[in-house]
Amino acid sequence: QKEVEQDPGPLSVPEGAIVSLNCTYSNSAFQYFMWYRQYSRKGPELLMYTYSSGNKEDGRFTAQVDKSSKYISLFIRDSQPSDSATYLCAMSQNSGGYQKVTFGTGTKLQVIP
Amino acid sequence: SQTIHQWPATLVQPVGSPLSLECTVEGTSNPNLYWYRQAAGRGLQLLFYSVGIGQISSEVPQNLSASRPQDRQFILSSKKLLLSDSGFYLCAWSATGVAEAFFGQGTRLTVV
Repeated sequence: QKEVEQDPGPLSVPEGAIVSLNCTYSNSAFQYFMWYRQYSRKGPELLMYTYSSGNKEDGRFTAQVDKSSKYISLFIRDSQPSDSATYLCAMSQNSGGYQKVTFGTGTKLQVIP
Repeated sequence: SQTIHQWPATLVQPVGSPLSLECTVEGTSNPNLYWYRQAAGRGLQLLFYSVGIGQISSEVPQNLSASRPQDRQFILSSKKLLLSDSGFYLCAWSATGVAEAFFGQGTRLTVV
């Protein structure tokens, strides 16, 4: 079993839809939770960063963490064609003084105009 | 503000040739530095990380090596490339003890 599971998609939605992206994990030692957006042939870009269970909002993006269920989500409201990208979840644990990060395989999102 | 530079963006190399990919970070001191490889459908695989000059940790055995000759410079190398070394290589940095990592634009390496 992988430490982090993420549905690869692709996920195709119409413009303006609410998008829900999810990851599950098995390692209880994960402390920090992140979402990255990656456009084709580019490096990942950090979108959201959370520590505790609950919701964190930034503009059209909301990150949700449920540590009891080992489940994290990213919601995108009023999705735009420019949101079309691959979204990677990531989680980290303390490993000998540095934060070891484990990434999901990414979900490819396409927002259709 | 901090910036990370990685080059080249694309590279085609013959099997058996050497490799040197360079990454530099500006606007911060003593960053943690990382090299990742990204294969389709397999996510990001951590290859090397460094918490200081000359300090390199390898996550997976492979045909590659890394060096950190200066505080904000990280180099990925190989003496003889294999076909299996093809992939998308990403350099990243984070502040000490922090999980948030910031990535360069990547190098797409094709070994032929």
